[in-house]
Amino acid sequence: EVQVVESGGGLVQPGGSLRLSCAASGFTVSGNYMSWVRQAPGEGLEWVSIIYSGGNTYYADSVKGRFTISRDNSKNTLYLQMSSLRAEDTAVYYCARVAGRTRGAYYFDDWGQGTLVTVSS
Amino acid sequence: QSVLTQPPSVSGAPGQRVTISCTGSSSNIGAGYDVHWYQQLPGTAPKLLIYDNTNRPSGVPDRFSGSKSGTSASLAITGLQAEDEADYYCQSYDSSLSGWVFGGGTKLTVL
Repeated sequence: EVQVVESGGGLVQPGGSLRLSCAASGFTVSGNYMSWVRQAPGEGLEWVSIIYSGGNTYYADSVKGRFTISRDNSKNTLYLQMSSLRAEDTAVYYCARVAGRTRGAYYFDDWGQGTLVTVSS
Repeated sequence: QSVLTQPPSVSGAPGQRVTISCTGSSSNIGAGYDVHWYQQLPGTAPKLLIYDNTNRPSGVPDRFSGSKSGTSASLAITGLQAEDEADYYCQSYDSSLSGWVFGGGTKLTVL
């Protein structure tokens, strides 16, 4: 059974850092495209970042230069390192496996339950 | 302000048919990029409902269907049931932003 489980969320002060983890089972993180999607309280979904199976990474403009997506193949785990955090980064962060034929057709197939990040002093 | 525009809310009585629109532009839906739909039940993670404009993952009832034309797409739900009450999001790719974009979401209320 395919499953992803996020962890690492919590309360952090503005300007601080946090690392989110996404443990996968039923498939290999290294053999798939993986993404992070976030949802601010009471708001809609926002794509954050993606890592291709070949290692290429891409980011939304809102987090570029502050967030880093990576993976540990030995642990079958995806990460999101977040730094210079702002109040507007407060959200539930979801890890998702990406499917689709081409870049313009990618969609988010399997989602975790999410982990809440709160940026506040 | 979302790149893809959805109505904030729609409603319908049990058994009725409702549609949710998703309007984009020439840099996303109008450019030929596929549209996908997600259902988010209260307090849960989003779930893939429709992919590649019209396809249903296994386990999704055929009451749900998707279509796409020009710069817009639509999700139709027939035979409304109480369990369909949820938020629905469309998603596509935007070449101007070089990233994946979502609609603002539509809250479906079953009367």
